[in-house]
Amino acid sequence: QKEVEQNSGPLSVPEGAIASLNCTYSDRGSQSFFWYRQYSGKSPELIMSIYSNGDKEDGRFTAQLNKASQYVSLLIRDSQPSDSATYLCAVNKDDKIIFGKGTRLHILP
Amino acid sequence: DAGVTQSPTHLIKTRGQQVTLRCSPKSGHDTVSWYQQALGQGPQFIFQYYEEEERQRGNFPDRFSGHQFPNYSSELNVNALLLGDSALYLCASSLLSTNEKLFFGSGTQLSVL
Repeated sequence: QKEVEQNSGPLSVPEGAIASLNCTYSDRGSQSFFWYRQYSGKSPELIMSIYSNGDKEDGRFTAQLNKASQYVSLLIRDSQPSDSATYLCAVNKDDKIIFGKGTRLHILP
Repeated sequence: DAGVTQSPTHLIKTRGQQVTLRCSPKSGHDTVSWYQQALGQGPQFIFQYYEEEERQRGNFPDRFSGHQFPNYSSELNVNALLLGDSALYLCASSLLSTNEKLFFGSGTQLSVL
């Protein structure tokens, strides 16, 4: 089982709709979880971090964490073409930040 | 305030050669992590340096080595290059106290022919 798993996509979402990105992780002891956005040809940038079960909102982004199910998700409301990118889920495992393969998101104008 | 800077941006080497990549962390950061990102994959953790010591290491062979200098800048060295080493090499800096918030440089694209 991979340490951090994501569907590679592409996930196509109409402009203005909600994009839902999912991630599962294998280490039940992990305590910190992150979403990074990576535009094509660019480096990753941190957009959300979450440490407790439940939801965390920041503008159009909501991160959701369910430690019992070892599941993290990212919701993007009112999706814009500028949201088209690869979204990387990352987990702190034994003090190392481990990334998933990423999900490619395409917002359809 | 300068962010994380990496050099060079692109590099072409042949199999068996050695390469050195360089990274200057964001001002105020004391920790440098290196990642390898193959095309279509997520970044893979190589190692992390703090106080000039390798603090953590991922599943990479000993051909991959590094160094951190007193000014917190870092180098990644790869010996005996293989075709499979072709990838984007990303440097990320952070404060150890907030280790998890990584700031990435723009990367070095290494091509091994």
